[in-house]
Amino acid sequence: AQSVTQLGSHVSVSEGALVLLRCNYSSSVPPYLFWYVQYPNQGLQLLLKYTTGATLVKGINGFEAEFKKSETSFHLTKPSAHMSDAAEYFCAVTTQKGDTGRRALTFGSGTRLQVQP
Amino acid sequence: DTGVSQDPRHKITKRGQNVTFRCDPISEHNRLYWYRQTLGQGPEFLTYFQNEAQLEKSRLLSDRFSAERPKGSFSTLEIQRTEQGDSAMYLCASSFSRGGNGYTFGSGTRLTVV
Repeated sequence: AQSVTQLGSHVSVSEGALVLLRCNYSSSVPPYLFWYVQYPNQGLQLLLKYTTGATLVKGINGFEAEFKKSETSFHLTKPSAHMSDAAEYFCAVTTQKGDTGRRALTFGSGTRLQVQP
Repeated sequence: DTGVSQDPRHKITKRGQNVTFRCDPISEHNRLYWYRQTLGQGPEFLTYFQNEAQLEKSRLLSDRFSAERPKGSFSTLEIQRTEQGDSAMYLCASSFSRGGNGYTFGSGTRLTVV
């Protein structure tokens, strides 16, 4: 079984400040990890993903995340927040199974990011 | 390719009515997933297809729900005898079998049962 915990349902930062959104996962096998962003009444857009290899992954819009196996974490960061970053962010996990595996994503409950001018 | 398309974007229905949603995945993707998202929550897995075969259904998918993917292309999700608790955003996603490449989501269908 796998699960995702996102610490903090709401995070508020000032424009230009560091963004840190926390995600911890639980998985009995090596995970694939994702961050998605969702704007109101929209679907989910992939920000970045970790599968194998480099543990620091860079995504779109200046976001990056670091996979830390020892801490079972995959926190999302951005050095300088922009007003357009205000949205809901979801961390998700799936597992590295063979081609017959389900590979459906298990999502956290989300973190709403507010950016203050 | 224009990505994953879902139709309709919004649906308001009276309790007890049947509704059907459609999802057109990215044409090269052989896997198709349905998720449900309620207000303030992350998406929850409902079911998935590999080509035309429905390989798994979540316990969230009651007998009133049925999904099909004829010919391994588009998919439909039908809810019979809708209840107010069915009000949610229904999201469709598609991917290759090797899911590490990521999942592309549609914009969703928001269902409101009144």
